[in-house]
Amino acid sequence: SQQGEEDPQALSIQEGENATMNCSYKTSINNLQWYRQNSGRGLVHLILIRSNEREKHSGRLRVTLDTSKKSSSLLITASRAADTASYFCATGPIYNQGGKLIFGQGTELSVKP
Amino acid sequence: GAGVSQTPSNKVTEKGKYVELRCDPISGHTALYWYRQSLGQGPEFLIYFQGTGAADDSGLPNDRFFAVRPEGSVSTLKIQRTERGDSAVYLCASSTVLAPQETQYFGPGTRLLVL
Repeated sequence: SQQGEEDPQALSIQEGENATMNCSYKTSINNLQWYRQNSGRGLVHLILIRSNEREKHSGRLRVTLDTSKKSSSLLITASRAADTASYFCATGPIYNQGGKLIFGQGTELSVKP
Repeated sequence: GAGVSQTPSNKVTEKGKYVELRCDPISGHTALYWYRQSLGQGPEFLIYFQGTGAADDSGLPNDRFFAVRPEGSVSTLKIQRTERGDSAVYLCASSTVLAPQETQYFGPGTRLLVL
């Protein structure tokens, strides 16, 4: 069963605005990752943040992690129409030393030109 | 180089039939994962392999589901006696090695529809 909850489920913004998506999880984690999915098919890895990190940047992406609250946020700055996609957080449980990922339900982002 | 490929892209079958879904990982990747994604949901873990062995099959929903990776490269997910509830997109991913911090590269998925 999925352990991640994402908020909001859907987000609609104008091009140039910032988009913030939140993720909460239940069990202790090794790391948390964000993925992007277009048209319900293959996922693309965006960024990974380790459990001992609090913030990470990659281009227009900023991810924060608060392990005390078991939550993370993904900020996309200066959004573009091409950012329209579904975004998923995925956690690597601390009890699993393999690569098992537990995904949230996703946030559907729509960026209007 | 080539990414993860999955065949077929789409599969329509009738309830009760047997299906096989194939995954070709990125060359040299020793770890391979299968996930299932239902409409409007995030992917759900099924099984992963390190080399030829299934290191964790805890996500397989029942014994109708089975996966193999006989030579440590291509993997096949097999579903027996398909049910309508098996309809979903089946995603395969691979990574360089089996480790929590490794990036998983996903294929485009196989969309299975059981009528």
